Amino acid sequence: SQQGEEDPQALSIQEGENATMNCSYKTSINNLQWYRQNSGRGLVHLILIRSNEREKHSGRLRVTLDTSKKSSSLLITASRAADTASYFCATDNQAGTALIFGKGTTLSVSS
Amino acid sequence: EAGVAQSPRYKIIEKRQSVAFWCNPISGHATLYWYQQILGQGPKLLIQFQNNGVVDDSQLPKDRFSAERLKGVDSTLKIQPAKLEDSAVYLCASSLDRQNGYTFGSGTRLTVV
Repeated sequence: SQQGEEDPQALSIQEGENATMNCSYKTSINNLQWYRQNSGRGLVHLILIRSNEREKHSGRLRVTLDTSKKSSSLLITASRAADTASYFCATDNQAGTALIFGKGTTLSVSS
Repeated sequence: EAGVAQSPRYKIIEKRQSVAFWCNPISGHATLYWYQQILGQGPKLLIQFQNNGVVDDSQLPKDRFSAERLKGVDSTLKIQPAKLEDSAVYLCASSLDRQNGYTFGSGTRLTVV
């Protein structure tokens, strides 16, 4: 069963703009992770935020987590064409043993 | 460190044929996962191994899919017989523990015709 759901499904922006993607989930979590997938490639781990954390930064990435609303957001600042990819949020499955992925947000950054 | 290796990269087979995928995880990663990703969707967990034992195979279609992880290192995922709806990318991932992210291989793109 799907745990996380990303919004929007697709996002198109210009280089230099910021991109914000949201993720909502249904049950309590230990941590929430964001992954990037370039076309035809495997997923790359971007950032992990624990349930007791509210915000985390990594380079141009900023992730927030609101456990009361069961939601997270991924902000990419000053987007580049190379950021064009699909972005997935992932949370624990019911057993807490593996990750469940959402359907993803497809980001297109044009120069 | 070397990444997660998968082979083959692409495979085209006819329905009812069999196919096998191979995965070599990152050295030292005890946990190995196989995910199925249908076009336009997120990855769906098929099976999870901890060393050479199965932790979760609840979403593996066991009438046609099988997987093993010999000696707690390499893993093989097999489909026999394949159906058209098995067309997907099969991703292998490994992780050190639950506090770290997964490292994915590039995947095997399977087309069943």
